[in-house]
Amino acid sequence: GQQVMQIPQYQHVQEGEDFTTYCNSSTTLSNIQWYKQRPGGHPVFLIQLVKSGEVKKQKRLTFQFGEAKKNSSLHITATQTTDVGTYFCAAGGTSYGKLTFGQGTILTVHP
Amino acid sequence: NAGVTQTPKFQVLKTGQSMTLQCAQDMNHEYMSWYRQDPGMGLRLIHYSVGAGITDQGEVPNGYNVSRSTTEDFPLRLLSAAPSQTSVYFCASSFRQGAYNSPLHFGNGTRLTVT
Repeated sequence: GQQVMQIPQYQHVQEGEDFTTYCNSSTTLSNIQWYKQRPGGHPVFLIQLVKSGEVKKQKRLTFQFGEAKKNSSLHITATQTTDVGTYFCAAGGTSYGKLTFGQGTILTVHP
Repeated sequence: NAGVTQTPKFQVLKTGQSMTLQCAQDMNHEYMSWYRQDPGMGLRLIHYSVGAGITDQGEVPNGYNVSRSTTEDFPLRLLSAAPSQTSVYFCASSFRQGAYNSPLHFGNGTRLTVT
């Protein structure tokens, strides 16, 4: 079945530093979604990317979808303590229905 | 709108016991799914449904059954609980956005411990 690798597994940063997490697939994806899960909470949708080479921004967050639609990244500029949590990518395959999640990146921000 | 409601929030089972985790959504979503979350493993898909009367297996379906008799409800049944099923379970739903899944709405989760 479809597999999605997400790296790194953990990232510790000082407040104000940047952060990036990467999501890679061996197969072409139809779309990719990003979620954030606060400690003790449930995943919350951030964004969806559909087009090859797509770049979307939400304030300090920048999301990219690779040209070959096999990888994606989430970059946070100047992290804040409110950014703490686990960030997941979720990949859609060629047919509607299955969304495969990456392992997640746990972000810790030290004030 | 309550969104996605999961019950119970916590459950402790003995090995061999059976139980049903409940999931209901009031957003008229076609798509519903169950995930389990384990440390370092991310969210793994157990079963999913693209509409009433239709279910399919995800990555880790063994030991679990589902049914989808109504659009609103998607219960997950553990037939004979095993310690390996100790996990946090999330139910999620979405509407269909053409060929793609639209954003998933998650419930608050059920923390299950099997002793």
